[in-house]
Amino acid sequence: GAVVSQHPSWVICKSGTSVKIECRSLDFQATTMFWYRQFPKQSLMLMATSNEGSKATYEQGVEKDKFLINHASLTLSTLTVTSAHPEDSSFYICSANGGQRTYEQYFGPGTRLTVT
Amino acid sequence: KNQVEQSPQSLIILEGKNCTLQCNYTVSPFSNLRWYKQDTGRGPVSLTIMTFSENTKSNGRYTATLDADTKQSSLHITASQLSDSASYICVVSAGNTGFQKLVFGTGTRLLVSP
Repeated sequence: GAVVSQHPSWVICKSGTSVKIECRSLDFQATTMFWYRQFPKQSLMLMATSNEGSKATYEQGVEKDKFLINHASLTLSTLTVTSAHPEDSSFYICSANGGQRTYEQYFGPGTRLTVT
Repeated sequence: KNQVEQSPQSLIILEGKNCTLQCNYTVSPFSNLRWYKQDTGRGPVSLTIMTFSENTKSNGRYTATLDADTKQSSLHITASQLSDSASYICVVSAGNTGFQKLVFGTGTRLLVSP
């Protein structure tokens, strides 16, 4: 139980285009979902926290107009990287709170974004 | 400032050997401490989670300890296997009730060689 999936697992896009990453909780309802970014050999950095039906809360230094987060249902959150640039290339990981242990965060497998 | 520091940064051990990873934290208010295993190119997978009152927890060959007085934790891996090669991340949850913020360590990269 408590499985989180992400789609796509990897994506390559051209500079200036937008790309959407989906995060789904497969067998539980996620009250809160989190989006992280991880650069090579570094730890996860929280980008934003989102609750279903409300606006996401962004961490300091994260541009909310560039990283659009939509949490339309209790099982789906999306992250859209708008006007992507090569420096946005990174590993994006989502996690979700919920399930039987509400304090636990269950992580998705991650999405590798490469902007050329 | 909430911080989690891990040591060593990287470690190479022979298959079958044991190893211990360290984690020191300054996080307040402390809620719980977690150890995650992250394979390259994958999301973190939870190994153990300990609250303030717990000082040891095991998950198969993984045993985590917590000393809340000294704010230190360790992860001991017994009889290592090649599949244990991964990054191990210590994460401390800060917060009293409701939403808790996770503070991540930078991880220890473990390589188990044959």
